[in-house]
Amino acid sequence: DTAVSQTPKYLVTQMGNDKSIKCEQNLGHDTMYWYKQDSKKFLKIMFSYNNKELIINETVPNRFSPKSPDKAHLNLHINSLELGDSAVYFCASSLPSASGNYGYTFGSGTRLTVV
Amino acid sequence: QKEVEQNSGPLSVPEGAIASLNCTYSDRGSQSFFWYRQYSGKSPELIMFIYSNGDKEDGRFTAQLNKASQYVSLLIRDSQPSDSATYLCAVKRKTGGFKTIFGAGTRLFVKA
Repeated sequence: DTAVSQTPKYLVTQMGNDKSIKCEQNLGHDTMYWYKQDSKKFLKIMFSYNNKELIINETVPNRFSPKSPDKAHLNLHINSLELGDSAVYFCASSLPSASGNYGYTFGSGTRLTVV
Repeated sequence: QKEVEQNSGPLSVPEGAIASLNCTYSDRGSQSFFWYRQYSGKSPELIMFIYSNGDKEDGRFTAQLNKASQYVSLLIRDSQPSDSATYLCAVKRKTGGFKTIFGAGTRLFVKA
């Protein structure tokens, strides 16, 4: 009965490959996010979608492309993977940020290792 | 200057003591403030949020906010070894699509 589920949990791949991470939430939330947590545990926002619409797009290389087919799903596709992309990627969801003080529910994370 | 600053720690307290975790932020337009706990290898989980000046209590946790000083803190009373984790302060801004910015976290170690 997972609230925010991400797949895969671990991903090891070679430089130059293309990979995708999937995220689904069953909380009925309207807003979903991708965060990257580096080796120093710093969580940095990458993208945010509200009801399938992109609302936050941080300074992220355009090799990263999010896609939200519906408000319960937010996937992340990464092209031409580089060593520096190695990190833990967290998906999160919340009620609409603009309408209240809602915290996030995080997925369990995807540990990406690029070799 | 980082937008949300926390002392990285580790902060070490004996079991039963009060742990005090601090956070400062730079954007005066910030509207709400969150504390998350992250165990090693796990995802962050929300502990508390606060948006008005003053104190907010929830069980052993008390969040304190002082907007004039741009300062938010988390007190953990009767600390337990199970409280040992990294505590992340997060600040939601009104600008930039109501973006939530996280601090780098403070590692807390509660000694039995």
